[in-house]
Amino acid sequence: NAGVMQNPRHLVRRRGQEARLRCSPMKGHSHVYWYRQLPEEGLKFMVYLQKENIIDESGMPKERFSAEFPKEGPSILRIQQVVRGDSAAYFCASSPAGTQTSGITSTDTQYFGPGTRLTVL
Amino acid sequence: AQSVTQLGSHVSVSEGALVLLRCNYSSSVPPYLFWYVQYPNQGLQLLLKYTSAATLVKGINGFEAEFKKSETSFHLTKPSAHMSDAAEYFCAVSDHGSSNTGKLIFGQGTTLQVKP
Repeated sequence: NAGVMQNPRHLVRRRGQEARLRCSPMKGHSHVYWYRQLPEEGLKFMVYLQKENIIDESGMPKERFSAEFPKEGPSILRIQQVVRGDSAAYFCASSPAGTQTSGITSTDTQYFGPGTRLTVL
Repeated sequence: AQSVTQLGSHVSVSEGALVLLRCNYSSSVPPYLFWYVQYPNQGLQLLLKYTSAATLVKGINGFEAEFKKSETSFHLTKPSAHMSDAAEYFCAVSDHGSSNTGKLIFGQGTTLQVKP
């Protein structure tokens, strides 16, 4: 069973360009979380998605950042008009279940991908 | 709201010595707690998790952690350090309180150095 896949592993962009980060969850997982790790900082939650739904985007910057998880294909984290402060490692994690429809949070483990290291010149 | 504090951003031990990495949490609900390890330029790998079952949790690679409610702690230990344990370690709590999304709230991380 392949793990969580992220691509590209390294991405270099110039200021003002767009960055697209892709995450393919583990087989059978329908819940995706994105986290950002800034230099010398821990990981910070950005967004939680289920197929075709954004469940929690409380950690996303208000502007330039967006995320999607379509019915088919990987989850995409998109950063428009990148700035140097966006340079970081971006990790996605998948789990079989997050918040159940009943509102009871699953204790399922989140499995992390290898990350995409974004450098903005 | 949940939060996690890891005491000591850098810990150095000799090979064969006890490893102790400290983690304290704050949570308004019974917490779900995790320890992850990150090797250089890699993603996070789960070491162990506590989800309100046994308070002493055993994980991979000889690590274990004990949940102590009275001390709001979840310290990670390993009896004998190995060179391959050198990495960064993150303690995390799952947010299943008000937002109830299961997102992880991480501590700042502790870098473990193992000296020969």
